[in-house]
Amino acid sequence: DTGVSQDPRHKITKRGQNVTFRCDPISEHNRLYWYRQTLGQGPEFLTYFQNEAQLEKSRLLSDRFSAERPKGSFSTLEIQRTEQGDSAMYLCASSLVVGNTEAFFGQGTRLTVV
Amino acid sequence: GENVEQHPSTLSVQEGDSAVIKCTYSDSASNYFPWYKQELGKRPQLIIDIRSNVGEKKDQRIAVTLNKTAKHFSLHITETQPEDSAVYFCAASGGGGADGLTFGKGTHLIIQP
Repeated sequence: DTGVSQDPRHKITKRGQNVTFRCDPISEHNRLYWYRQTLGQGPEFLTYFQNEAQLEKSRLLSDRFSAERPKGSFSTLEIQRTEQGDSAMYLCASSLVVGNTEAFFGQGTRLTVV
Repeated sequence: GENVEQHPSTLSVQEGDSAVIKCTYSDSASNYFPWYKQELGKRPQLIIDIRSNVGEKKDQRIAVTLNKTAKHFSLHITETQPEDSAVYFCAASGGGGADGLTFGKGTHLIIQP
């Protein structure tokens, strides 16, 4: 599969626990984005990387959220001290910088905080 | 920051008729406007996009129009088919150098047989 892949697909965690999600972008894509989507809403931008540099973070992003892309390939999104309000689908997308800027989305990781 | 409004939230049309979904944006510097289709339980997939230097773009039964002055853009689907049933999202980006997409809340398109 040459698309964007995310792992795990589903995660159930207790409130207060830390969780980490992984995203593997399309191999030649140097931009990687994280979005959060709740039921009945459009995806909400969280942050994005160009290669290993984190270039933009949403002002709405809590300091409990951190993302990394250490070698400019895969990325991880960590949520510390999870809250019930963090329950959502976490979507990763990737794109090329030059020319085609279409963002290709992964299947997402569905997080449920109980 | 950018704000994108999308209407209607639900649209029901007869198979074979046309469907139109409208979006407005707030940041006049935004320059990229994609439309995504999301079927239940699946990832969003790009169906068409337009940049601010173009007023209209068409791809078979799908077209998008952009009015920069009024800051609105629309998706037009002609000869609708059952497989067009899905949630459609508009988005905007590029304002202030920001490249993350700001999405509308979505339109649930229902194609009645």
